[in-house]
Amino acid sequence: DTAVSQTPKYLVTQMGNDKSIKCEQNLGHDTMYWYKQDSKKFLKIMFSYNNKELIINETVPNRFSPKSPDKAHLNLHINSLELGDSAVYFCASSPAGRNEKLFFGSGTQLSVL
Amino acid sequence: AQSVTQPDIHITVSEGASLELRCNYSYGATPYLFWYVQSPGQGLQLLLKYFSGDTLVQGIKGFEAEFKRSQSSFNLRKPSVHWSDAAEYFCAVGGAGGFKTIFGAGTRLFVKA
Repeated sequence: DTAVSQTPKYLVTQMGNDKSIKCEQNLGHDTMYWYKQDSKKFLKIMFSYNNKELIINETVPNRFSPKSPDKAHLNLHINSLELGDSAVYFCASSPAGRNEKLFFGSGTQLSVL
Repeated sequence: AQSVTQPDIHITVSEGASLELRCNYSYGATPYLFWYVQSPGQGLQLLLKYFSGDTLVQGIKGFEAEFKRSQSSFNLRKPSVHWSDAAEYFCAVGGAGGFKTIFGAGTRLFVKA
């Protein structure tokens, strides 16, 4: 009964490939996020969806496309992967669109070779 | 601009000793302040948060933090560190009604026996 679950946990792929990371939360939250954590542990927000509507879109290359089929799911699709995309990607959720406690998934470690 | 500074990249503390992790923030409005902890291979977990009221807040695992508006600081403390506290600690700031939480670069805590 994991609150925020991401799959896969590890993803190793070649440059130029397209890959997706899936996220699901069973907390009934309205808001979901994607964060990127680089090799120096710096954590930066990429996207946020509230009730399936995109509300935050930071300066992320358009090779990254989030999709939220419903409130409980937020997937991240990455086209034409580059070496610099290697990082840990975290999904998170929070209740009712308020800037309160974030509930994080355990992360997806993406390695682009 | 909104920002969070954690001056210490890493700190080493002896087990049983006291701990203080520093955090300074820059935020144009009343901040919501958070401390999260990340164990290796895991997502972030909220330790405590400050929204308003008493400037000394208690969190889980025996942690506390004090909000000092005049110093724009929100330092995390624990009177007696346990080996299991070894982890990465992130200070974060957000705004009331907002969706974006900004994280500091993290402080890695090492605990020596």
